[in-house]
Amino acid sequence: EIVMTQSPATLSVSPGEEVTLSCRASQSVGANLAWYQQKSGQAPRLLIYGASTRAPGIPPRFSGGGFGTEFILTISGLQSDDFAVYYCQQYGNWPPITFGLGTKVETK
Amino acid sequence: QVTLRESGPALVKPTQTLTLTCTFSGFSLTTDGVRLSWLRQPPGKALEWLALIDWADDKSYSTSLRTRLAISRDTAKNQVVLTMPNVDPADTATYFCARSYSASTAFDFWGRGTLVTVSS
Repeated sequence: EIVMTQSPATLSVSPGEEVTLSCRASQSVGANLAWYQQKSGQAPRLLIYGASTRAPGIPPRFSGGGFGTEFILTISGLQSDDFAVYYCQQYGNWPPITFGLGTKVETK
Repeated sequence: QVTLRESGPALVKPTQTLTLTCTFSGFSLTTDGVRLSWLRQPPGKALEWLALIDWADDKSYSTSLRTRLAISRDTAKNQVVLTMPNVDPADTATYFCARSYSASTAFDFWGRGTLVTVSS
């Protein structure tokens, strides 16, 4: 089973800042990596798939990168609506499909 | 318009069987590349993938829960059902169904989730 490790667990930032979230896979998943945003009480929303492709309707301030075992999600010019928990998910080697434990982006 | 909706009991007693139904619209589960998964999220914790069924009726399960889960579909009703026998308080969670499509197994559409509490 591929273990996904996200860092940091919590990120305290101010609106307008650029933030970078990290996700590491315990073995290579190629580009088979997705990022989700989840707000309290809501279902996750797909942001990025294929490591770097934005899902339909996702604004360009969200960008993804990486390949193999190291991945990042960057949010440029953080907006108030972006405070949430972010999860990475691998689908390069499944079953099982696995998620990281999440990074909470909170207001400083 | 793709929609998914989970339904099932809000409260289940320990040792009982949990049965959850995902009713979907806007796509067909018999279209090549379409997959539907069940996932769960205990309160305050991370997402956990449980099971998947695809367009060819192939099924996949979580490694740790594979002996306790069964996923099935009713294509005429556009429904996917998950059964989990012998539930435990540790199975208390919000249960989601979600769709993935084509080569990507990223989940592009999700239901709103249903909270299931296991308690006597």
